Amino acid sequence: GEDVEQSLFLSVREGDSSVINCTYTDSSSTYLYWYKQEPGAGLQLLTYIFSNMDMKQDQRLTVLLNKKDKHLSLRIADTQTGDSAIYFCAESLNRDDKIIFGKGTRLHILP
Amino acid sequence: GAVVSQHPSWVICKSGTSVKIECRSLDFQATTMFWYRQFPKKSLMLMATSNEGSKATYEQGVEKDKFLINHASLTLSTLTVTSAHPEDSSFYICSARDRIVGYNTEAFFGQGTRLTVV
Repeated sequence: GEDVEQSLFLSVREGDSSVINCTYTDSSSTYLYWYKQEPGAGLQLLTYIFSNMDMKQDQRLTVLLNKKDKHLSLRIADTQTGDSAIYFCAESLNRDDKIIFGKGTRLHILP
Repeated sequence: GAVVSQHPSWVICKSGTSVKIECRSLDFQATTMFWYRQFPKKSLMLMATSNEGSKATYEQGVEKDKFLINHASLTLSTLTVTSAHPEDSSFYICSARDRIVGYNTEAFFGQGTRLTVV
């Protein structure tokens, strides 16, 4: 079945890089996503990667995909206080399929 | 970007009453909308897939008669929590994709509805 796992908490000093890791079980997943949820708000898509890609970079965000190990990571360079949020890893089989989420990683920024 | 609006943002209701939550796509049409429930330890659980003009598809373990979903138009889906109980208190989030198939695969999310049953 489909399952997405990620650590629940990460603490990083301001200015350092944050790396949030995720593993998924369904090798058929075509789309892999990272969503951000700020307190009391809905989810905002940060970035996504197709399963035939190894890496995607978008400004401070770098997504790495190891399809063999079914491992996805999100790196946030120069972490800022505004990056404090919950980050959800997610996957779907196809574009129009349901999105399955991990439990989310709460990123805490230390001064 | 596209906007999905949920209403209300928060609601408090008495145990035994029903509550309706609306999810609207404001500037695009959505054939399919999804309803999620977020549990206290942040787990985001898919409840059902709402299909315009047809019955919703519920995930295993979700009570169809408890969580009524109606998708009457391409821009509106509603979730009604019937005979609500305190254990139904949660954060409910909807999402929608533009029905026009294209490169953009983004699913847009509403801001969520905090339901508290007392």
